[in-house]
Amino acid sequence: DAMVIQNPRYQVTQFGKPVTLSCSQTLNHNVMYWYQQKSSQAPKLLFHYYDKDFNNEADTPDNFQSRRPNTSFCFLDIRSPGLGDAAMYLCATSWRDRGKSDTQYFGPGTRLTVL
Amino acid sequence: GQNIDQPTEMTATEGAIVQINCTYQTSGFNGLFWYQQHAGEAPTFLSYNVLDGLEEKGRFSSFLSRSKGYSYLLLKELQMKDSASYLCAVRALSNNLFFGTGTRLTVIP
Repeated sequence: DAMVIQNPRYQVTQFGKPVTLSCSQTLNHNVMYWYQQKSSQAPKLLFHYYDKDFNNEADTPDNFQSRRPNTSFCFLDIRSPGLGDAAMYLCATSWRDRGKSDTQYFGPGTRLTVL
Repeated sequence: GQNIDQPTEMTATEGAIVQINCTYQTSGFNGLFWYQQHAGEAPTFLSYNVLDGLEEKGRFSSFLSRSKGYSYLLLKELQMKDSASYLCAVRALSNNLFFGTGTRLTVIP
């Protein structure tokens, strides 16, 4: 089955210790998104890649970076995690053609704990 | 800016019908989505509306009125497994999705 995969499902890191979250997809979608979702809150878009073009949201902290080495993979790097970065991180993908995006499909998420 | 409002919580009885409302104010509109999210899991796509009217998909239907900035998700023949959060999301002209905080639905026997 075509899908969006996130690893690991649960990640524990220490305050200030860099951490990388991984997302892969078999849908061959050209757009990949990273969202942050804190408890009982709406998912908040951090950034997305449209093919190789990186699009950062204006209010995404500099602490958050992303890499997309190829169509299938996208990484979220948190350079110096703080306690406030503890959240569920959701990866999503969609197909965009001529400026129009289709439905976004989400991976299972990675729950990040910062000690 | 984007403003999307949903009720925080709802409770309904197994076998009944429930309607979850969503109102939105956005600087540009390019479609409205409903997602279901079970606790600790990822959102899963339920429905999409871009034109006014009702879209039916099995036990789930979604309605949109663009002039009123209003949508609802209708769930029929409720089952216990329908207990989840239901997220309303508006797609802006930028193609980005803006989510409401979700409505937590509890289905009781």
